[in-house]
Amino acid sequence: QKEVEQDPGPLSVPEGAIVSLNCTYSNSAFQYFMWYRQYSRKGPELLMYTYSSGNKEDGRFTAQVDKSSKYISLFIRDSQPSDSATYLCAMGGGGGSNYKLTFGKGTLLTVNP
Amino acid sequence: NAGVMQNPRHLVRRRGQEARLRCSPMKGHSHVYWYRQLPEEGLKFMVYLQKENIIDESGMPKERFSAEFPKEGPSILRIQQVVRGDSAAYFCASSPRTSGGAETQYFGPGTRLLVL
Repeated sequence: QKEVEQDPGPLSVPEGAIVSLNCTYSNSAFQYFMWYRQYSRKGPELLMYTYSSGNKEDGRFTAQVDKSSKYISLFIRDSQPSDSATYLCAMGGGGGSNYKLTFGKGTLLTVNP
Repeated sequence: NAGVMQNPRHLVRRRGQEARLRCSPMKGHSHVYWYRQLPEEGLKFMVYLQKENIIDESGMPKERFSAEFPKEGPSILRIQQVVRGDSAAYFCASSPRTSGGAETQYFGPGTRLLVL
């Protein structure tokens, strides 16, 4: 079983839709959780990070963590064509190191105008 | 404030040649991390460096790969005698510190290595 599982998609939605992206993980030692956005041929850009169960909101983005289920989600409201990218979940703090991030494979999202 | 800089952005090498990838961290950042993204795979941690020190190289292949972060100048990831399986995107990230709490790493644009 991989440490982090993420459905690679692709996911295609119309503009204005609510998008839900998810990851599951197996390592209960993970302490903090991040979502990165990666445009084609670019580096990952940090969108959200949190280190507790519950919700964290930033504009149109909401990150949700459920440590008991080992499940994290990213919701995008009022999705825009500019949101079209690959979304990567990442986790850290497992295995005694705070710096080593473990990434999912990424979900490719396309928002159609 | 310039972000993390990597060069070259694209690098083509023939099998057996050496590849040198450079990373300049964000201003004020003294911690550098290298990750590799193979086709159809997620980013994998390779190595963590501070100035003049390798802190954790547990993700580095045991042979042909080395990394350094000298007192002056950029961090270098060096791959000797490249093989086709080394073709990937190599990303550098930097952070200002390591703490017991949340750690944020800012990524560069990556170097895409193609081995012919």
